[in-house]
Amino acid sequence: ETGVTQTPRHLVMGMTNKKSLKCEQHLGHNAMYWYKQSAKKPLELMFVYSLEERVENNSVPSRFSPECPNSSHLFLHLHTLQPEDSALYLCASSQFQGTYEQYFGPGTRLTVT
Amino acid sequence: SQQGEEDPQALSIQEGENATMNCSYKTSINNLQWYRQNSGRGLVHLILIRSNEREKHSGRLRVTLDTSKKSSSLLITASRAADTASYFCATDDTVSGSARQLTFGSGTQLTVLP
Repeated sequence: ETGVTQTPRHLVMGMTNKKSLKCEQHLGHNAMYWYKQSAKKPLELMFVYSLEERVENNSVPSRFSPECPNSSHLFLHLHTLQPEDSALYLCASSQFQGTYEQYFGPGTRLTVT
Repeated sequence: SQQGEEDPQALSIQEGENATMNCSYKTSINNLQWYRQNSGRGLVHLILIRSNEREKHSGRLRVTLDTSKKSSSLLITASRAADTASYFCATDDTVSGSARQLTFGSGTQLTVLP
């Protein structure tokens, strides 16, 4: 276990649904991240939160909406997704200073039908 | 933009052999990290090498860094079937004043045959 948990582990949703992914870290880190991993593509950074403020948004479509209520919790709210959004969504945490190793959760496998 | 590129994309070896994976990158870095991912799971940090280091060891892992060639290699010695996974390099190429982030490569799929 890496100290980062994600729920749910698997999610199937229709294009008109609204759902949320949850991430929790128990490592005392002050930065959290959402990544998207699609088949045969590099890991794509979606959002970065440092000290609960969003510091990076890599041009992610507005149908993905992050929320970081505190330094231990991170959410990704999903609405009106497209089939191409099907992927493994990974949450990670780290210290925002220092050598910056990231600790990943197990991921949520999302399928959009 | 894509920073780290791993080579080869896939590698299949027999148990007990050594596995070498390479990573090339394009810009100046603060450090380079290697991660491992078992199928459909999260990534696990393996080892970090700073830009002023040339070689680092951790158990059966050996990492080298050549900043003049902008390349790194990961050597796994005496491989085991349990080493079967995807291996990614990630570069910390944060520019001062910008948000810190890692840029991941496409990964090398390692298969160790028993």
